Amino acid sequence: GQNIDQPTEMTATEGAIVQINCTYQTSGFNGLFWYQQHAGEAPTFLSYNVLDGLEEKGRFSSFLSRSKGYSYLLLKELQMKDSASYLCAVRDSNYQLIWGAGTKLIIKP
Amino acid sequence: DADVTQTPRNRITKTGKRIMLECSQTKGHDRMYWYRQDPGLGLRLIYYSFDVKDINKGEISDGYSVSRQAQAKFSLSLESAIPNQTALYFCATSDPGQGGAEAFFGQGTRLTVV
Repeated sequence: GQNIDQPTEMTATEGAIVQINCTYQTSGFNGLFWYQQHAGEAPTFLSYNVLDGLEEKGRFSSFLSRSKGYSYLLLKELQMKDSASYLCAVRDSNYQLIWGAGTKLIIKP
Repeated sequence: DADVTQTPRNRITKTGKRIMLECSQTKGHDRMYWYRQDPGLGLRLIYYSFDVKDINKGEISDGYSVSRQAQAKFSLSLESAIPNQTALYFCATSDPGQGGAEAFFGQGTRLTVV
């Protein structure tokens, strides 16, 4: 079956760095996405990886290792507004998005 | 105006009632999706459509039906609502021809079945 695992909840301090991991087992691979979702709101796109390596976009970076079925989202210089859920999704061989349950990130002052 | 618009935003309905959730988009995308989200679970795909003449079941289609009235409109119906269909519902669009082809989401419809 298809499966995406990510931690349920993480806590970090304002100004610090946090890494959210995602491991996946899917039928084929055509890219991995990270989304941010504030409570009760729509998910919004953060990053896309299809090749191995690190993609950097401002305070956010995303890493992919296809051989390990592993990705992480790195958030630097954390701000209170970064408190949200972070969703990992993999596009499978049928070009369908398979979603993880999300990681709730709590930022403390 | 939002690129993907869902109506209503909130709805409370009684068990056994028929209810329709509507989604319209101005992004010009062919692909549209309906998801539901429950606490502690990931987004689960209900139905998806790759164009006006194409409708496909997702992983949890039982109890739901859809209609693709036009490229821009995709409606989700619950023929006879039941309490375990209480959830947050999202419509999304995508265009595989655009780079990463990420999904764009509507603001969601919070449905409560009592």
